[in-house]
Amino acid sequence: AQSVTQLDSHVSVSEGTPVLLRCNYSSSYSPSLFWYVQHPNKGLQLLLKYTSAATLVKGINGFEAEFKKSETSFHLTKPSAHMSDAAEYFCVVSESYNKLIFGAGTRLAVHP
Amino acid sequence: DAGVTQSPTHLIKTRGQHVTLRCSPISGHKSVSWYQQVLGQGPQFIFQYYEKEERGRGNFPDRFSARQFPNYSSELNVNALLLGDSALYLCASSRLMNSENEKLFFGSGTQLSVL
Repeated sequence: AQSVTQLDSHVSVSEGTPVLLRCNYSSSYSPSLFWYVQHPNKGLQLLLKYTSAATLVKGINGFEAEFKKSETSFHLTKPSAHMSDAAEYFCVVSESYNKLIFGAGTRLAVHP
Repeated sequence: DAGVTQSPTHLIKTRGQHVTLRCSPISGHKSVSWYQQVLGQGPQFIFQYYEKEERGRGNFPDRFSARQFPNYSSELNVNALLLGDSALYLCASSRLMNSENEKLFFGSGTQLSVL
C-alpha cells in the first residue's frame, strides 16, 4: 500500500524567509506525487506534480519540490514566503489515476 | 467557465438521519470522485464514478453510497448518520478516468455537522 507522511503538522516562518515542508512517501513502485494547497473556505488547489519526468518539479506561486528516491522524500520549498502562502498543505501520492492518498497536512503560518 | 460546484455548502443533521450531497462537475468532465475530510486530517477517498458507473471505492461502510447522472453530476448519500460522519465532503472532477496527465479539480466542499 502507498502512503505519505508529512513530518511537521505546523510550520511557522517570517515573511521573506524560505519555506520547507517535509514529506516522505512509501511506495512499492515509482509513484506519482503531488502537493496540494487548501486555503480556508476554498477547494484544494494543485501546486505541482511529479511523474518521473524530472526530479525537480516547479509549481505555481514559486513553489518547487525535489523527488529523492534514495531518501523516499518529496519536500516542498519556496525561497521567500508571502503572507498569502499561509494555508494547509498536503503531500499526496496517487494509488490509481483518480484515487489520491493524502497526508495529514502541514499548516503553514507566515508572520510579518 | 464554472468550477466544480457543490451543494449545500453547510448542513446540520442529527444522528440516525439521512443526507444527500450534490456535485456538479466542470463542463465536459465525465469523472467525479468524492472525498471525506475530517477536521485536522487529510481527505480520504470514498468513491469514483465515470460514465455513470462506480470505478473505485474506498474503505467506507455500506451506509455510504453514490450515483452519477447522465449529465455527469453526482450525489453522495449517507444513511444512519453517526457523529463521526461530521466532516467536509469534497467532490473532484476530471475529463477522463485513467490518464496520468489528468488533473483533478476540487470543489469547495459541503461541511456536514452531525449532532
